[in-house]
Amino acid sequence: DQQVKQNSPSLSVQEGRISILNCDYTNSMFDYFLWYKKYPAEGPTFLISISSIKDKNEDGRFTVFLNKSAKHLSLHIVPSQPGDSAVYFCAAIDNFNKFYFGSGTKLNVKP
Amino acid sequence: DAGVIQSPRHEVTEMGQEVTLRCKPISGHNSLFWYRQTMMRGLELLIYFNNNVPIDDSGMPEDRFSAKMPNASFSTLKIQPSEPRDSAVYFCASSSGLGAQHFGDGTRLSIL
Repeated sequence: DQQVKQNSPSLSVQEGRISILNCDYTNSMFDYFLWYKKYPAEGPTFLISISSIKDKNEDGRFTVFLNKSAKHLSLHIVPSQPGDSAVYFCAAIDNFNKFYFGSGTKLNVKP
Repeated sequence: DAGVIQSPRHEVTEMGQEVTLRCKPISGHNSLFWYRQTMMRGLELLIYFNNNVPIDDSGMPEDRFSAKMPNASFSTLKIQPSEPRDSAVYFCASSSGLGAQHFGDGTRLSIL
């Protein structure tokens, strides 16, 4: 059973608007969360992370929010740009340094 | 600094053949991970090594799959015999302790 879930396989957003990608997890022992971006024919690249002791981390246009009580993670991209079109994976790390990935959300930012 | 290097980038072979995928992690990274990406299951962790020692291989689908890490700069993932359902993109990633993993560009494997 998947411990990290991304329930939206795809998302389409107009350029300049906000993109919100969501992720849910089941294991309350996860202590670190990450988002990766993946372009076609390339490996995933690290985007942004957040520790379980925080509820928000911001890096430029990208902000990750963590709601531990709801076991929910989200990535906000503001403003969205066509170059942001990619597949986004959320991931969680347990205390054995094992990574668990979601199945990905394909973001399409329309010009 | 060079990233994670995987070879080959593409592999097409007939079922029943042995397939060997190779990975060179980033120098200084002490953890190495093998993943398989499929449309249905997304990114699945197959096995990971810490300091060249396999820590968790619970994701390896069956005995046809094996992985080795003879030294800190090289790892292989072998499938013998290969089957059409093994067709996927296989990624290798490395990391140094707790933190983000760095992925290679993957090997696209097609078993006919």
